[in-house]
Amino acid sequence: RKEVEQDPGPFNVPEGATVAFNCTYSNSASQSFFWYRQDCRKEPKLLMSVYSSGNEDGRFTAQLNRASQYISLLIRDSKLSDSATYLCVVNRDSFNKFYFGSGTKLNVKP
Amino acid sequence: NAGVMQNPRHLVRRRGQEARLRCSPMKGHSHVYWYRQLPEEGLKFMVYLQKENIIDESGMPKERFSAEFPKEGPSILRIQQVVRGDSAAYFCASSPGLTNEKLFFGSGTQLSVL
Repeated sequence: RKEVEQDPGPFNVPEGATVAFNCTYSNSASQSFFWYRQDCRKEPKLLMSVYSSGNEDGRFTAQLNRASQYISLLIRDSKLSDSATYLCVVNRDSFNKFYFGSGTKLNVKP
Repeated sequence: NAGVMQNPRHLVRRRGQEARLRCSPMKGHSHVYWYRQLPEEGLKFMVYLQKENIIDESGMPKERFSAEFPKEGPSILRIQQVVRGDSAAYFCASSPGLTNEKLFFGSGTQLSVL
């Protein structure tokens, strides 16, 4: 079983839509969680960390459910510029290894 | 504060040649990670290094690939006798190695093997 699993998509949504991505992780010892964004042929960039209490950054909301071992990312009022691949990342700090999901592709259409 | 620096950005090699990819981590970061990404695929972990030590190389092919992170200077990913299948984007990332710290990525090296 993969350490981190994501629905590859693509998610095709119109501008202004709300879209949610989920990600599951297999190791209950995982301690740190992140969402990264990757544009075509570019390096991944940190979008936001995910905290146990959930956190919001503008139109983006991240949540963590430790009992079910999943992480979610909600994007409200989608913009064309949100089109990218979103990567779920999990870190088991005791080993300091970062595990990447294969990414969920989002296409926001006019 | 400069970010993670990778060079070259693009590298073209003929089959059988050697490729050397360099990565200078962010200032204050002592942990370096190398990832490979094939077209239309996700990031694949290759190797995790701290200064002068390989911590985890479980993602590295057993032959032709090696990595180092010397006490002085950048981390080097070396691919000997390259083949067409080595063509990919190679990303380096660094972290300070502290709890809950994030990874920061360089812009990557696009390796093309002719």
